[in-house]
Amino acid sequence: DTEVTQTPKHLVMGMTNKKSLKCEQHMGHRAMYWYKQKAKKPPELMFVYSYEKLSINESVPSRFSPECPNSSLLNLHLHALQPEDSALYLCASSQVLSHEQYFGPGTRLTVT
Amino acid sequence: SQQGEEDPQALSIQEGENATMNCSYKTSINNLQWYRQNSGRGLVHLILIRSNEREKHSGRLRVTLDTSKKSSSLLITASRAADTASYFCATDARGGSYIPTFGRGTSLIVHP
Repeated sequence: DTEVTQTPKHLVMGMTNKKSLKCEQHMGHRAMYWYKQKAKKPPELMFVYSYEKLSINESVPSRFSPECPNSSLLNLHLHALQPEDSALYLCASSQVLSHEQYFGPGTRLTVT
Repeated sequence: SQQGEEDPQALSIQEGENATMNCSYKTSINNLQWYRQNSGRGLVHLILIRSNEREKHSGRLRVTLDTSKKSSSLLITASRAADTASYFCATDARGGSYIPTFGRGTSLIVHP
């Protein structure tokens, strides 16, 4: 299985809502990533987990909260988001940090 | 910033022609990767080239790396309409965190 899955595919939420994005891989990868991508821009790194420990937090606002319950799962908890947080949220995994990344299809998030 | 810069930003060609896009970066790297992204979807890894390699091939793709000029090129031969996508280079700085940083990308359109 060489697939990274993300749910949901689309999410519309109000600024007072709490929601979560989910990412799953069964390739035995030990590094997992969250990226945010705006239209016509490159992906921006948000968080990196290595061996289930938060390795990098790219100064992301606290309204985004990552969680890595086990080596196959990565969640991104969302709370009190702003309209400017609307974007495509991409999850990726790699065998270890220096290896090529496998991306999921993304969650298209709209904050109203 | 280690972010690579792709050139050109946009490229429009006819099916069957070759497409060449370039990536320049600022500091020494461990490796350089090329990714493809179809509109609004996840990224797909194409090729990883290490700093001690000069050229790699994969099917119709040819990547070169010139560390003295801090640049790389991606050549797609005999292009097809299905090659229409955005192409990103990603570099990770030597002595850094092994996390690749994505350039702004080249948007390629192949007309049938």
